[in-house]
Amino acid sequence: DIVMTQSPDSLAVSLGERATINCKSSQSVLYDSNNKNYLAWYQQKPGQPPKLLIYWASIRESGVPDRFSGSGSETDFTLTISSLQAEDVAVYYCQQYYGDPQRFGQGTKVEIK
Amino acid sequence: EVQLVESGGGLVQPGGSLRLSCAASGFSFDDHAMGWVRQAPGKGLEWVANIKRDGSEKQYVDSVKGRFTISRDNVQNSLYLQMNSLRAEDTAVYYCARLAQDTTYRHLDYWGQGTLVTVSS
Repeated sequence: DIVMTQSPDSLAVSLGERATINCKSSQSVLYDSNNKNYLAWYQQKPGQPPKLLIYWASIRESGVPDRFSGSGSETDFTLTISSLQAEDVAVYYCQQYYGDPQRFGQGTKVEIK
Repeated sequence: EVQLVESGGGLVQPGGSLRLSCAASGFSFDDHAMGWVRQAPGKGLEWVANIKRDGSEKQYVDSVKGRFTISRDNVQNSLYLQMNSLRAEDTAVYYCARLAQDTTYRHLDYWGQGTLVTVSS
């Protein structure tokens, strides 16, 4: 099984400042045949279902603001919010879809400082 | 507009059964794999199961293998989760989600609002 570990568990960032969330997988999620990292990021606001932000580790979903970006490869990944807005308060999850079970990280709660 | 609407949740006793349904609309249902993800109260997301577009491949998390069955009806545009031998630890909001393509190894690009399953005596 591939275990996904996010850090930190929570962070408080001032409005307009950068927020960085890390996600580490216990084994590589890079599929050699297509050179794609099977890693997605989701945002979940209170009382709402999750929303897809990033897939293939770095591709922003249509309609997602460009202040959200994803990077990394193989086992180490990062979600960056370049300039935190009030509406970005949420829990963020990474997920690997390389192998079963297609686990999520434990989540990172982002708040306003 | 893609819509996924779950139903069938409720209160059930330990050892009981429940069948969740997900009605899909706004896209070609049989072009996409589908999945279920759950979230226990106050906890994180847990992937439960995926099914390929034609139902030929299914995957499950170990904790539900042998108890839960994912299925679909491409004529009715519906996804199902049959849950048997339910345990207290199955208590969660269950989300229906669409996978981005026909294979079961893709990201989840649309989610329903969820249906709550409570297992308690």
